[in-house]
Amino acid sequence: AAGVIQSPRHLIKEKRETATLKCYPIPRHDTVYWYQQGPGQDPQFLISFYEKMQSDKGSIPDRFSAQQFSDYHSELNMSSLELGDSALYFCASSLRDSSYEQYFGPGTRLTVT
Amino acid sequence: QKEVEQDPGPLSVPEGAIVSLNCTYSNSAFQYFMWYRQYSRKGPELLMYTYSSGNKEDGRFTAQVDKSSKYISLFIRDSQPSDSATYLCAMPPTGGGNKLTFGTGTQLKVEL
Repeated sequence: AAGVIQSPRHLIKEKRETATLKCYPIPRHDTVYWYQQGPGQDPQFLISFYEKMQSDKGSIPDRFSAQQFSDYHSELNMSSLELGDSALYFCASSLRDSSYEQYFGPGTRLTVT
Repeated sequence: QKEVEQDPGPLSVPEGAIVSLNCTYSNSAFQYFMWYRQYSRKGPELLMYTYSSGNKEDGRFTAQVDKSSKYISLFIRDSQPSDSATYLCAMPPTGGGNKLTFGTGTQLKVEL
C-alpha cells in the first residue's frame, strides 16, 4: 500500500540558512500533520492542515511556516535555522476527522551545523 | 507531570515471551488510544487503535483499555527479534484539534 512520502530524507544546513521539507500524503488523505522529534524524545506536534487550511497549531516556532497545496501535498519552510532545529521531522496523513488514524512518513533528518 | 506516562525501559525479553507494554494517562476525556512502533531513525508505524474501553486483537498484538483506571496496555505474543523497537502510545485530542499526545515510548529488545 502507498505510504506517506517525504523529501528529502536527509538535509544538512548551516545556521541562519533556510530549509524546505516536502510531504506527499497517502492517496485520498486530505489532512496532513507535521511533527518534530529530537533524540530520545517523543514526536512533538507542529501544525496540521485540512483542505489547504490550517486546522491546528502546536509548538511551531515563528521562524517556521507551512502550507498545503491543492493536490494535498504539504511543505514545511524553516528559516533562520538554529542548531536546536536539528531533529527528525515527520509528516503524517489521515482522512478528515480521523486524527486517531495518522500514518507517518519515514521522516527528514535535518542537521544544522 | 506529563499527560501520558510510559516506562521508558529498556525492556529486554527472550524470544517467544509475552510482552506487556503500558501507559497511564490523566485526561479522562480521551476516547481513542493508539499504539505506534518506531524502529531506530524511522517513522512511527501505527499498529492499532482502540476506541473507549475493551480489547482489540490483531495477529500477535492485543490492545487493552481500562478507562476506569486510565490505563492502557499492548500485549505482544510470541515476541520476535524483529519486534525490537520503541513502542509509543498516543491519544488524539478531544473536542477538536489534531495534536497527538504521545507517551515517551518504551524501548523493547527481544533477544534470541
